[in-house]
Order: sequence, then C-alpha cells, then structure tokens
Amino acid sequence: GENVEQHPSTLSVQEGDSAVIKCTYSDSASNYFPWYKQELGKGPQLIIDIRSNVGEKKDQRIAVTLNKTAKHFSLHITETQPEDSAVYFCAASPPNAGNMLTFGGGTRLMVKP
Amino acid sequence: SAVISQKPSRDICQRGTSLTIQCQVDSQVTMMFWYRQQPGQSLTLIATANQGSEATYESGFVIDKFPISRPNLTFSTLTVSNMSPEDSSIYLCSARPTVLADTEAFFGQGTRLTVV
Repeated sequence: GENVEQHPSTLSVQEGDSAVIKCTYSDSASNYFPWYKQELGKGPQLIIDIRSNVGEKKDQRIAVTLNKTAKHFSLHITETQPEDSAVYFCAASPPNAGNMLTFGGGTRLMVKP
Repeated sequence: SAVISQKPSRDICQRGTSLTIQCQVDSQVTMMFWYRQQPGQSLTLIATANQGSEATYESGFVIDKFPISRPNLTFSTLTVSNMSPEDSSIYLCSARPTVLADTEAFFGQGTRLTVV
C-alpha cells in the first residue's frame, strides 16, 4: 500500500520567513495530494491540494509543488505569521485504495513573533 | 465543501464502558471514514463506513471493538466498546463527496476521549 513520509517533524521559523515542508510517497499511481492544517483541539482543515496533472498550485501565501518523477511534493508558506503555527499533514490518495487517504507523520510549525 | 459535526466533542469514560460518537454531514456524501489520532501522532484509518452495508476495517481494528453504522448518506456513528485506557485518543470523522480518489476530504472537529 501507499506510504507517505514527511519532513521535518518540527520546524521553527521567525515571523516573516518562509517555511517548507516536504513529503515523499511510494505509490506512483497516487493522483491526489492534499495538505491539512490542524490547530490544537481542532480537526484537520484542508488548506491546499494538488492533482497529479499539475506541477504547482498557489493560493495567496501558500503553494504546493509536485514532482511525479521523484514522487515528492512540498508545501511552501511565505511571509509566515504567528497564526500559521499548527501541525501540518500531507497525504496521498491512490486511485485503487478504497478512496482512503494515507497521511504523513505531521510537521509541527512554530512561527516566532 | 462539506461541514461535519461530531458529538460529543470530548468525554471522560470509565473503563469497560462503551461510547458512541456521532458524525453528521451537512450534505450527502458517498464516502465516510473514521480515524484515530493518538496524542502528538498522525491519523490512522480505523474503517470506511459504507452506506447500507458493513464497514470495511483496516488491519488492527475489528468490528466487535469499533462497531460502525451508516444508515444514510449524511450520518454515521462509531462506537468504542469495552474501553480501556489505551483507547484514550482523538477520534475523527471524515467525508469525501464522491468515490473519485482526487476529491477533497473533510474532517469533523474530533472527539477527545479519555478512559479512566
């Protein structure tokens, strides 16, 4: 089955700096890669996603890139703000896995004011 | 997007008892899932809740321990049976509107369960 690895597990940046979180996946058939933000005491919230027919997607300060050949995708947050502090999860969705998502281990992002 | 409401949001339960968690979606969805999230850990899929049929459980999870109902396209329940302290965790409901693998999945706010 699909296996997703996520790095780093913790990331501390200064407010205004950029943050990059990277994920690799194992199943080359995976075609959907969402990113979730989870704040303390809340459920994961979808913040951006990318499909396998696209190499990059941007939404304001957040961007995701996908390299299908290398089987990795990354989340980029620019001009970080204290409210970006949360745990971020990447996930991959193979087309033949019962419609389930496989999650990475998570990255705790801390933005220092 | 789908809005998912889970009840209860948290509970403290005695070992040996059972707790049923409810998940209500504001629109009809094809796929519903239940996840467990241990403190500080990632999400682990417990089962896929199938409408009109038995749930599909992942390795390590069994129906006797985690019975699931899915009576219609907007509602599901997860029961944690005969609880022990090891069941203390966050339980999350998730929904995907279609069967297509490249569609969004949304989550409820979770149920934080503590077993004493």
